[in-house]
Amino acid sequence: NAGVTQTPKFRILKIGQSMTLQCTQDMNHNYMYWYRQDPGMGLKLIYYSVGAGITDKGEVPNGYNVSRSTTEDFPLRLELAAPSQTSVYFCASRSPGLNEKLFFGSGTQLSVL
Amino acid sequence: AQSVTQPDIHITVSEGASLELRCNYSYGATPYLFWYVQSPGQGLQLLLKYFSGDTLVQGIKGFEAEFKRSQSSFNLRKPSVHWSDAAEYFCAVGGSQGNLIFGKGTKLSVKP
Repeated sequence: NAGVTQTPKFRILKIGQSMTLQCTQDMNHNYMYWYRQDPGMGLKLIYYSVGAGITDKGEVPNGYNVSRSTTEDFPLRLELAAPSQTSVYFCASRSPGLNEKLFFGSGTQLSVL
Repeated sequence: AQSVTQPDIHITVSEGASLELRCNYSYGATPYLFWYVQSPGQGLQLLLKYFSGDTLVQGIKGFEAEFKRSQSSFNLRKPSVHWSDAAEYFCAVGGSQGNLIFGKGTKLSVKP
């Protein structure tokens, strides 16, 4: 059981480049999330999804886009990378019901130079 | 709006000493509360959670936390810290979108 898998683990982008951060989970969870983590700032919610075909903005969505064509996959797209998007990105999925908890991927460290 | 405050950015304790990490939350209804731990270069791992019932909850790795509604607090405790507990600890409250709202974290260092 792999849980939540994120790729790549590290990436350096030039300003203005685009890329997609991949996230996949094999637990059949409906709820998935993208967070960014900046030093001393905790985790901020970028986008979330409550199921295939349904996505919504979180606290810091500007500069990002998401899609959810399947239950398993929830990619995060950066269209025009900016230095302010240098961060560590975490994908998570949520188990339902009384045993609710978030399962996190191991993160993607992104630098925009 | 929901929010979480962790007043201590960095705490250093000696190995074998007791530990208490503070967490205060702001939430209108009965909150769902969580503590996560993050080791360097790793994702977050759930230590414990409070949904309802007994206000003292036990978690993994010997950690416990106590929910105090009157103080809007959910402090994390461990009676005897081990060097392997050095990490960053995040308190979180369940948000209206099923997400978690995190505090800024407390970094724990352990002296030998």
